[in-house]
Amino acid sequence: NAGVMQNPRHLVRRRGQEARLRCSPMKGHSHVYWYRQLPEEGLKFMVYLQKENIIDESGMPKERFSAEFPKEGPSILRIQQVVRGDSAAYFCASSPDSPRSYTFGSGTRLTVV
Amino acid sequence: GENVEQHPSTLSVQEGDSAVIKCTYSDSASNYFPWYKQELGKRPQLIIDIRSNVGEKKDQRIAVTLNKTAKHFSLHITETQPEDSAVYFCAARLTGNQFYFGTGTSLTVIP
Repeated sequence: NAGVMQNPRHLVRRRGQEARLRCSPMKGHSHVYWYRQLPEEGLKFMVYLQKENIIDESGMPKERFSAEFPKEGPSILRIQQVVRGDSAAYFCASSPDSPRSYTFGSGTRLTVV
Repeated sequence: GENVEQHPSTLSVQEGDSAVIKCTYSDSASNYFPWYKQELGKRPQLIIDIRSNVGEKKDQRIAVTLNKTAKHFSLHITETQPEDSAVYFCAARLTGNQFYFGTGTSLTVIP
């Protein structure tokens, strides 16, 4: 089992560009969660998805950010028109239907220059 | 939602001493409390967890206690070693799948 796979590990974008972050959950896991971690800060919940459904997006900024988890393929976190404040580590986690715990991916470190 | 507070934000201990990290939560419906360890530049990894029907759980040098009445839970690390140095996060889960994390404690074990 390859675990939760995130790519890319590092992503550099210029201000105004789009960033796409991908997350493939563990085999058998149908729930995906995205978290943002700013330097020296904790994990801030962004969005919780199941296949083809957004369950909870209460932590997602209202503008520029979107997430999906299609029937086929990885979950995608999309940030449009990135700004310097979007620079952070973005972690994806997955769980089965009855989560004992999350399994985290290695994260994508986004740098906006 | 749930609000999880974690203290202290930084903690330094001598090797061999004990370390205690405390968290409080706001929603009495929370029923599951995991602890994660994150080493620099790496992913958070589960180290121990406790359910709301249990007061204490121990795994070798790590233990977690839960006080449901006071709505707080603590991580205890005994006989600390340099490799215990990391950031530790507590979390609480309400009835759904959503986890709410504390802001983290940076633990440094001084050799």
